[in-house]
Amino acid sequence: GAVVSQHPSWVICKSGTSVKIECRSLDFQATTMFWYRQFPKQSLMLMATSNEGSKATYEQGVEKDKFLINHASLTLSTLTVTSAHPEDSSFYICSATGGVNSPLHFGNGTRLTVT
Amino acid sequence: GEDVEQSLFLSVREGDSSVINCTYTDSSSTYLYWYKQEPGAGLQLLTYIFSNMDMKQDQRLTVLLNKKDKHLSLRIADTQTGDSAIYFCAVQTGANNLFFGTGTRLTVIP
Repeated sequence: GAVVSQHPSWVICKSGTSVKIECRSLDFQATTMFWYRQFPKQSLMLMATSNEGSKATYEQGVEKDKFLINHASLTLSTLTVTSAHPEDSSFYICSATGGVNSPLHFGNGTRLTVT
Repeated sequence: GEDVEQSLFLSVREGDSSVINCTYTDSSSTYLYWYKQEPGAGLQLLTYIFSNMDMKQDQRLTVLLNKKDKHLSLRIADTQTGDSAIYFCAVQTGANNLFFGTGTRLTVIP
């Protein structure tokens, strides 16, 4: 079946550095990719929606300059957490879909810890 | 947007069946999902059902969808201690928006 690969699975970085998370669709072309964040003991929060070749659409309250999203190809989207701070520590998950009315496939998530 | 609701907690004895319920509000939902999250781990897709189906069975898992009542349930037969986790219901609308419930924490008592 369709698989979405997310890398890295976990990362620890120092405050002030930037971290890039990759999301790849392995056996289908993902026209749309989504990025989510999960706070402890809470459900997923949609951060942004990205369509291949265009700028991402960010949800209200999500800083676009802090969370840079690039969807340069039909199989790859990246989320860069810039100048990370401890409050950015969280679980980040991507999902991808091949088109309208197609199911969403999720990556396994990336646990980011900022020290 | 879509409102997706689940009860927060469920406790069952090992060997019994577990039924986790979910209600939603948007009748244009296309796919409906059940995810499992174990402590410290990511989301694991358990199963999903397309909106034109009433039921889907996969080994110990049975998903029931009542579109009229906008009610989705996940039944786990012969629940084991390894099934203890948080279970999220998620509902997708035609525009590829996905809405999650708050999750139901299932505790299996040995």
